[in-house]
Amino acid sequence: DTEVTQTPKHLVMGMTNKKSLKCEQHMGHRAMYWYKQKAKKPPELMFVYSYEKLSINESVPSRFSPECPNSSLLNLHLHALQPEDSALYLCASSAVVETGTETQYFGPGTRLLVL
Amino acid sequence: AQRVTQPEKLLSVFKGAPVELKCNYSYSGSPELFWYVQYSRQRLQLLLRHISRESIKGFTADLNKGETSFHLKKPFAQEEDSAMYYCALRGGSARQLTFGSGTQLTVLP
Repeated sequence: DTEVTQTPKHLVMGMTNKKSLKCEQHMGHRAMYWYKQKAKKPPELMFVYSYEKLSINESVPSRFSPECPNSSLLNLHLHALQPEDSALYLCASSAVVETGTETQYFGPGTRLLVL
Repeated sequence: AQRVTQPEKLLSVFKGAPVELKCNYSYSGSPELFWYVQYSRQRLQLLLRHISRESIKGFTADLNKGETSFHLKKPFAQEEDSAMYYCALRGGSARQLTFGSGTQLTVLP
C-alpha cells in the first residue's frame, strides 16, 4: 500500500459540533503531518508527529486537537470550530531518515465546511 | 529563515510550447527542493525532487545554488499539464516543508 488515505472526504459541521478527521498510511512512515489548505493557496503546516510524538505545533488554536494512536494512524479532533476554519485538511507522511531526502506523500484531503 | 518564492501566480502557454515555472529560494544551508503538482480536485502529488535528477512527465528541474533557483521546465507543454504547481523546500534537519505560493499553469489548445 503506497498511499495515504483520509476519511471522510467531505464534512459539514456546526460550530458546536465535535468531529474527527482520520488519516492512515501503511508505508511504514514514522513522521505524519496535518496541513490546512485554503483555495488556491499553498498548504499551511499545523502539526508534525515523529515516532507518534508531537514534535511541531504551529501555534494552532486548541479547537484543533491532534492524536497519533499508533504509527499508521493520525487523527484530528475538531471542536467548536469557526466558519473561517472551513478548508481542505491534508494529511501527509514521510519516512524518517538520518541522511538523504525525506519526501512527504499527501492524502486526498478532507474538505471541511463549518456553518 | 527559509523562504520560497514563485513569482508567477498565473501562467498560460499554448500546447506544444516550452514552459518554465520559476522558483527561487532563500536558505543558508543546503536545502532539499521539491516540485509538487495539484490537478483540479486531486491530491497534492510529488512531481520532482532535486536529489533524484529525474524527469517525470517530461518535466525537469535543476538546482542552481548560485542563483538559488529550482525552475521547472518542459520543452513541449500538453493540455493535461494544466494544474497548480508548488515549489517546496526542506532545510537541514527540519521536518517541515516550506511551500511557495504556487503557480497556476494553463495550457491552451
